[in-house]
This record gives sequence, structure tokens and C-alpha cells, in this order.
Amino acid sequence: QQQVKQSPQSLIVQKGGISIINCAYENTAFDYFPWYQQFPGKGPALLIAIRPDVSEKKEGRFTISFNKSAKQFSLHIMDSQPGDSATYFCAASWEQAGTALIFGKGTTLSVSS
Amino acid sequence: DTEVTQTPKHLVMGMTNKKSLKCEQHMGHRAMYWYKQKAKKPPELMFVYSYEKLSINESVPSRFSPECPNSSLLNLHLHALQPEDSALYLCASSPRRQGVGYGYTFGSGTRLTVV
Repeated sequence: QQQVKQSPQSLIVQKGGISIINCAYENTAFDYFPWYQQFPGKGPALLIAIRPDVSEKKEGRFTISFNKSAKQFSLHIMDSQPGDSATYFCAASWEQAGTALIFGKGTTLSVSS
Repeated sequence: DTEVTQTPKHLVMGMTNKKSLKCEQHMGHRAMYWYKQKAKKPPELMFVYSYEKLSINESVPSRFSPECPNSSLLNLHLHALQPEDSALYLCASSPRRQGVGYGYTFGSGTRLTVV
């Protein structure tokens, strides 16, 4: 129940294309869903986050879509660039219970030029 | 200052050594975390400090000993580690106890190699 399942494990996208990464969760108490981006040798950096009362959130080229009934959320990267090549982690937490973040297994994105 | 600073960036230690990892933040965050990350894996939670008190210990072996001297500093003391403890050790902080909607700020980590 505490898992966050992420797919695909790896993704290759052409420059200018759309990258889509999906996550699913079981615990309906989760109330905070961030995405992190990690470059080799660096710590994860918060990219964008959403709460379950919102179905979509957009920041620049990055969009989170959230489907509460399906218990799924996804990250869309529009106009993907080689500089977006990194590992992306979805995560979830239950703020009211004060749980720490639970991470998905990660997706390695390669954007080819 | 919106950074979490970790030192050292790289550390090689023998199995009989004692060493410490340091983490510092000046964002006024009151929750601080230690994570361990193996290659191509997500970060695994080790310890959580909330208002300088240890609130979560995720069944971490006693050869790892955390310490929070004040609200800005977090240490991880290492003793008698095993080669399988080699990993990237990440420190993170968040504004209030555990997440609360603002996300964690991670440091760049300490790459630890145990020989």
C-alpha cells in the first residue's frame, strides 16, 4: 500500500518530442505528489508538485496530470530537449500523518538530438 | 540561501575507519533527512530529524549514527562500514515536519566508497 509504481524504467525521445512518465499509487491517503529530476552526481531537485484537489498543473514545459479515481499521475515534458536528459522520480507522501516521501523507482530519460 | 551543503563530496574509507558526513542548511527548515542512494535506484530513507529530535530511524544498522547539533546542521557518523554501504548519501531538508507540501531540498550528496 505504501508503494509508488513508476513506468517506464527508461525512455528515449527525439528532440522536440513529448516525454511522458507515469506513476500509480495505492494509498488513497497520499495528499502530495512531487516529481524530482536528478542529474548524474547530483541530488534530486524538485521539479513540480501537485495535490489531489487539482487535476493538472503546468510549469513551463512540465505538466503534471492527476487522476484521483484511477490513483495515477503523470509527468509530461513538452518540446523535450537534450538538457532534459536525466533520471526522473515521482514521489508521494501523506502530509497529515507526517510521512516522509516515498519514491518511485525512477525513469531514465534520454533526449536525442 | 536556498541550498543544502554536504561535505565531503567524495569519501573513501576502510572498514575499520571512523568518519563523519556533514550537512548544513540555512533556510530555517526544521526537518532534516538522511537518504542512501545506490546507482540507478531511488533514494532510501535512513533517518528523519524533526525540530532537532530523531523522529524516524528506518531500521538502519548501528554502524550509522546520526546527530543533529542544531537546527542548521546534520551529521552522519560512520564506523565499521561494509563494502555494500558504498553509495551516494543524500541530505535533505523541508520547512516543517516531513514534507508538508513544499518539497524537499536535497544536497548534492557524498559519494562514499568503502574499501
